Amino acid sequence: SYELTQPPSVSVSPAQTATITCSGDKLGTKYTSWYQQKPGQSPVLVIYQDSTRPSGIPERFSGSNSGDTATLTISGTQAVDEGDYYCQAWDSATVVFGGGTKLTVL
Amino acid sequence: QEQLVQSGAEVKRPGASVRTSCRASGYTITTYYMNWVRQAPGQGLEWMGIIDPSDGSTKYAQKFQGRLTMTRDTSTSTIYMELSSLTSEDTAVYYCARGHGKNYGWFDPWGQGTLVTVSS
Repeated sequence: SYELTQPPSVSVSPAQTATITCSGDKLGTKYTSWYQQKPGQSPVLVIYQDSTRPSGIPERFSGSNSGDTATLTISGTQAVDEGDYYCQAWDSATVVFGGGTKLTVL
Repeated sequence: QEQLVQSGAEVKRPGASVRTSCRASGYTITTYYMNWVRQAPGQGLEWMGIIDPSDGSTKYAQKFQGRLTMTRDTSTSTIYMELSSLTSEDTAVYYCARGHGKNYGWFDPWGQGTLVTVSS
């Protein structure tokens, strides 16, 4: 079955750039979405179709997808961006989520 | 405002079934797919399946084949998810999430989640 691999954790200093990767076989040929989840809350869509930001998501969130890796980039990271981030893609008519990355803003 | 409101927490015995609901508001339910995703305590997200509310057709993840049923009531804009033969491994928060597209889309918005606890 298809798998998406994310680093378990990423740390970043405030105002710096955070990069979260998501790897899967030929992932660049699929659309990838990203979700942010804070403790005790439901996931929130932050990027869809690789690089599109939904209305209401700050411009500091951006995404890209090429080859085997999709990347979520948070520029000028703020303390409010702390949380878990999940990538998601479709493969063979089923949905696959990455294992999640805990973003810590030190 | 488009939103999904889910039913309240449930406690079930092993071997029992659970039926939870997801009521959509602010849009026409038949114009979007609906997905169910669960999250065990301290774990990641796991996709369970998808329903097309326009015709009731479904596709379930292989793992849940045979014990998962998704249905809809278009008159009340409500989607139902029933999971049978529960074990402690089914203890999780269950989310409904509106799907934008099938086989390629994204999920937005998400319901607030329903905690299902399976315990003897």
